[in-house]
Amino acid sequence: GAVVSQHPSRVICKSGTSVKIECRSLDFQATTMFWYRQFPKQSLMLMATSNEGSKATYEQGVEKDKFLINHASLTLSTLTVTSAHPEDSSFYICSPASADKRELFFGSGTQLSVL
Amino acid sequence: AQKVTQAQTEISVVEKEDVTLDCVYETRDTTYYLFWYKQPPSGELVFLIRRNSFDEQNEISGRYSWNFQKSTSSFNFTITASQVVDSAVYFCALASGTYKYIFGTGTRLKVLA
Repeated sequence: GAVVSQHPSRVICKSGTSVKIECRSLDFQATTMFWYRQFPKQSLMLMATSNEGSKATYEQGVEKDKFLINHASLTLSTLTVTSAHPEDSSFYICSPASADKRELFFGSGTQLSVL
Repeated sequence: AQKVTQAQTEISVVEKEDVTLDCVYETRDTTYYLFWYKQPPSGELVFLIRRNSFDEQNEISGRYSWNFQKSTSSFNFTITASQVVDSAVYFCALASGTYKYIFGTGTRLKVLA
């Protein structure tokens, strides 16, 4: 399977700070990047979809100004949680997809804890 | 509307027992893909299988087997002779149309020694 690198794996931050999560596809070109959020004991919920070089499309209820997504290259996408609050504490998972999008690859996830 | 239902929230079995995880899906698309993923305590998602809507052939991979039945819109997953290492949350997922993936709520499997 494809190799996906997601960093950091765990981050603890103070309320009001911003946190950047990086996701790299190491052996294929990710034309599309999906970002998911998973609260404890719940399923993965799609937050946004981004195509390389384009603005991201956000799911209903997800604030685009709070969750900034940059997908400037075919191998790197970042999710920045701006002015994080305790309710943003969650497990964030990136998922780069190739052009046909028939198989998803997942990053190892980032556990964000906002104090 | 698309939907994936995993009615079993949590299952506990004793090691060496067989266990079946249920997945029922809804979609109006004729072309779609179904997936199973394993999420161990570490959190990382592990791909198990992908099946397209035109292939109803059941599949076996070691102790794992999958039963895809379009007539009942089900894609069930069976683990034979379960092991403690099988303990994890298992997600069923559906992808079609815009390739937006819909995940079920997951089934937490606990295999007791």
